[in-house]
Amino acid sequence: SQTIHQWPATLVQPVGSPLSLECTVEGTSNPNLYWYRQAAGRGLQLLFYSVGIGQISSEVPQNLSASRPQDRQFILSSKKLLLSDSGFYLCAWGRISYNSPLHFGNGTRLTVT
Amino acid sequence: DAKTTQPNSMESNEEEPVHLPCNHSTISGTDYIHWYRQLPSQGPEYVIHGLTSNVNNRMASLAIAEDRKSSTLILHRATLRDAAVYYCILRSGGSNYKLTFGKGTLLTVNP
Repeated sequence: SQTIHQWPATLVQPVGSPLSLECTVEGTSNPNLYWYRQAAGRGLQLLFYSVGIGQISSEVPQNLSASRPQDRQFILSSKKLLLSDSGFYLCAWGRISYNSPLHFGNGTRLTVT
Repeated sequence: DAKTTQPNSMESNEEEPVHLPCNHSTISGTDYIHWYRQLPSQGPEYVIHGLTSNVNNRMASLAIAEDRKSSTLILHRATLRDAAVYYCILRSGGSNYKLTFGKGTLLTVNP
């Protein structure tokens, strides 16, 4: 069966510090991978998606970047965090078919202080 | 992406059925209707999806209007663990790669 792992579960970082969140998927190959963010009390915002190694699409301009160095690994990064980067970050995987669901990880709660 | 409209919040009593509505008047012929739910402090969880016919699974039922401009997610017997935000999403052929989440419906289940 397929599983998705995200870590860490919680993170407190000072403004201006770097960020690296990692997501890995097991039990499947060539998945589509996604990073979403949910600010407190708000809906989910798609940040990045990837359909293959090295292929990253950005949905909104921001202080963050994403990379996919391996087929089942997706990394979210920032060189210098802003207060507005605080939120709940979710990784998800899915298939290209619009008949198939997305599967989400348990998320990382990031607080920038 | 075609838009969906859901009530901001709904309330239900435990062990009673719950009908969560969703309007999608601009749906196209190839759009699948997906439902997800998000429990507090967790990632969204897939519930069910359908195209034209009503669908049932172990979690819920999905009733799709004949003109496909609306759908209803049915929880047959609500439990306290069903308290969550429920999202109705159209997944279109033009944007296979992503799901766009709206604000959803916050379901409160009273004991």
